[in-house]
Amino acid sequence: DIQMTQSPSTMSASVGDRVTITCRASQSINSKLAWYQQEPGKAPKLLIYRASSLESGVPSRFSGSASGTEFTLTISSLQPDDFTTYYCQQYNSDSTFGQGTKVEIK
Amino acid sequence: EVQLVESGGGLVQPGGSLRLSCAASGFTFSNYWMHWVRDSPGKGLVWVSRINGDGSRTNYADSVKGRFTISRDNAKNTLFLQMSSLRAEDTAVYYCARASPDGGSYFSSWGQGTLVTVSS
Repeated sequence: DIQMTQSPSTMSASVGDRVTITCRASQSINSKLAWYQQEPGKAPKLLIYRASSLESGVPSRFSGSASGTEFTLTISSLQPDDFTTYYCQQYNSDSTFGQGTKVEIK
Repeated sequence: EVQLVESGGGLVQPGGSLRLSCAASGFTFSNYWMHWVRDSPGKGLVWVSRINGDGSRTNYADSVKGRFTISRDNAKNTLFLQMSSLRAEDTAVYYCARASPDGGSYFSSWGQGTLVTVSS
């Protein structure tokens, strides 16, 4: 089974900050990596797929990148609606989610 | 517009069974792989199972293999998850999700979720 290690689990930031969240896969996943945003009590919302492709309608401040088995979600300038939880997901072999990163207000 | 509506959640005793349903509309249901994903406070999002368009292929997470069965009725545009031998750790909100149009198992369409509580 492919394991996804997501870090950090929690982070504190301010509006306007540049934020980076990382996921590391236990083996190659051929860039089959998605990022989601989830607000409390709601279904996840797809942000990025295929490691770096922006889902339609998602603001351009969100971006994804990959280097081998390490994947990064970057929010270029944090907005008030962005203080919530983010998950990565590999879908190369069945599917596995990371443990989540909660972005809190500093 | 794609719509997925789950139902069937509730309170069940350990060792009990429950059947979840997901009614789909707004797309050609039989053309898509469908998935179940669960969300619990202690574990976050966990992929549970998937089924292909004609129902001939299924996969399960190790944690539910042998206890859960995914199925679908394409005539009724409905996805199911039969859960048996339920454990406290199965307590979660269960979401159905549609695979992407390009066939990748990432999800732009989700239901609203249905809560399953396993407790005596």
